[in-house]
Order: sequence, then C-alpha cells, then structure tokens
Amino acid sequence: SQKIEQNSEALNIQEGKTATLTCNYTNYSPAYLQWYRQDPGRGPVFLLLIRENEKEKRKERLKVTFDTTLKQSLFHITASQPADSATYLCALGGSSNTGKLIFGQGTTLQVKP
Amino acid sequence: GAVVSQHPSRVICKSGTSVKIECRSLDFQATTMFWYRQFPKQSLMLMATSNEGSKATYEQGVEKDKFLINHASLTLSTLTVTSAHPEDSSFYICSASPDEEQYFGPGTRLTVT
Repeated sequence: SQKIEQNSEALNIQEGKTATLTCNYTNYSPAYLQWYRQDPGRGPVFLLLIRENEKEKRKERLKVTFDTTLKQSLFHITASQPADSATYLCALGGSSNTGKLIFGQGTTLQVKP
Repeated sequence: GAVVSQHPSRVICKSGTSVKIECRSLDFQATTMFWYRQFPKQSLMLMATSNEGSKATYEQGVEKDKFLINHASLTLSTLTVTSAHPEDSSFYICSASPDEEQYFGPGTRLTVT
C-alpha cells in the first residue's frame, strides 16, 4: 500500500540555522508533491508545490527538492526564526488530477531563540 | 491565495445527535471539495470527495450513511455527522482548490459527549 514517512520526532534547532525536513514515500508515483504548514488547532496552509519533472523549487526562505528515484523530498527553511515553529506536512498528488492528496504524519519543528 | 472558511469552528454535542459542518470557498468556485479528519498528533485522513451536483465519493472504511455530504452549490459543501458518538470526536477539515494547490479551511473541532 502507499506509504508516506516523515520524521515523527520533533526537530529542534537554533534560530538562524537551516532546518531540513524529510519526506519519503513508497508504492506511489506522484505527479506532484506539496508541503504544508499546520499550527495547533488550525487547518494546513499551503507552502510549495513541486512537480515530478522538477528537481528543486524555492520561495523566499523555503527550498524543496524532489528526487523521484530516491522517492524522497527534502524541505529546507533557511535562516530559521521562532515564528517558523509549527508542524510541516508533505502531501502527494496523483496524475489523475482529481486533487486528492495523501498526507504524511508531519514533522514538528521547534526553533529556539 | 484562495480562502476557504468553515463553520462552526468548534461544536460540542450529545451522543446520538447530528451535527452539520459547512465549508465555503469565498473567492472562487469549487466543483470539488475534500473532507478530512485528523486525530491528535496524527495525519490528515481523507474521508470523502464532495462533488457539486452529484454524489460524494467516499474513501474505503468511511460510512456514507454516517457522514452525509451535500455539495449543492459551487461554493458550499456540508458534512453532517449523523448519530454522533464519542469516537467521532475529532478535527474535521475541508479543502478546495481553484488549481492544483489545495486551500484548507480552519477546521472544526467536534466533541461528542
């Protein structure tokens, strides 16, 4: 069955450092992959989308890579700030363009001042 | 970005009663909306795809008679939890999309006593 794995352990880093979060998947060939931010008690907020034919995408302090051979995406936040503390979810979308997403369990990031 | 709203944000009901949750796309039309459920410290689990003007498509293991979905207009989908029980207590989130990026509502916290 399709499986998405994100590091379930919380990631604690110092302010100013780069945070790197990992998303691995098996038994799936997504057409695109998305990263979301979720704060406690709130709905997810869209951050970045990367397609299967793209290797890397950037948006301000965010960078996402997508390796379809390794079946892995890395999500980087550079110059991290305490306000970046949240849970980050990766989600896979299929080629059928139904809009359906399969979510990982999320990784909680804590940026300490 | 696009805005999706949900109402109510929080509801407490007694076991055996029904609860209706509304999901609205505020600045775009959505022929398809998605309903998710999220238990504490777990990922979002897709419950069903809401299709405007036709029947919803339910994921495996989701009872369609218990979770009634109505998508009567291009901007509104409703989820009714019928005969709610304490195990239905969860965080319910809807999403919609004007393109590939999914936009999520703020979520509805349902507590069944």
